[in-house]
Amino acid sequence: GNSVTQMEGPVTLSEEAFLTINCTYTATGYPSLFWYVQYPGEGLQLLLKATKADDKGSNKGFEATYRKETTSFHLEKGSVQVSDSAVYFCALRKDSSYKLIFGSGTRLLVRP
Amino acid sequence: GAVVSQHPSWVICKSGTSVKIECRSLDFQATTMFWYRQFPKQSLMLMATSNEGSKATYEQGVEKDKFLINHASLTLSTLTVTSAHPEDSSFYICSARGGTPHEQFFGPGTRLTVL
Repeated sequence: GNSVTQMEGPVTLSEEAFLTINCTYTATGYPSLFWYVQYPGEGLQLLLKATKADDKGSNKGFEATYRKETTSFHLEKGSVQVSDSAVYFCALRKDSSYKLIFGSGTRLLVRP
Repeated sequence: GAVVSQHPSWVICKSGTSVKIECRSLDFQATTMFWYRQFPKQSLMLMATSNEGSKATYEQGVEKDKFLINHASLTLSTLTVTSAHPEDSSFYICSARGGTPHEQFFGPGTRLTVL
């Protein structure tokens, strides 16, 4: 079946550090891949997405590249800020459906 | 734009009572709404999909008589947890799709605690 696996948190970094949150997926066919962010007390927000192999999604300094050969969609940011502290969810969607399948979420804590 | 609200944000109830959670799309018409359940430190699990004016489609393993979903208008869907028990305690999140065809917009969630 379809599934998403992401690294367990929490991830604790100092401000301006480099961030990587790993995400791998299992799916038949060619899913679309997403990263969502959930700030404290708020709903999930779409951070970035990629719809086909080798696509790179980017937003707010975050990037992720759709790697079909490694079935991965790792989230990266070159220099994190305290305001990036949140829970990050990797997700996939099969093209034939609107259903999203989520990873377990990774909490990021950025210290000043 | 594309704001989804949920009410209440948290609720505590006694075992055996029913609880209704509302999900509203504030600035767009939601043709489809989704209800998710999230356990601590775990993923969001899709419970059901509802289209305005029709019966909800439940995911395998979700009791439709336990979790009643009504999507009576293009801006409102409700989830009623009937005869709630402590094992129903969880974080319930809704999302709505409309306007932008392939994007879901999420509500802030409702934390249900059943004593």
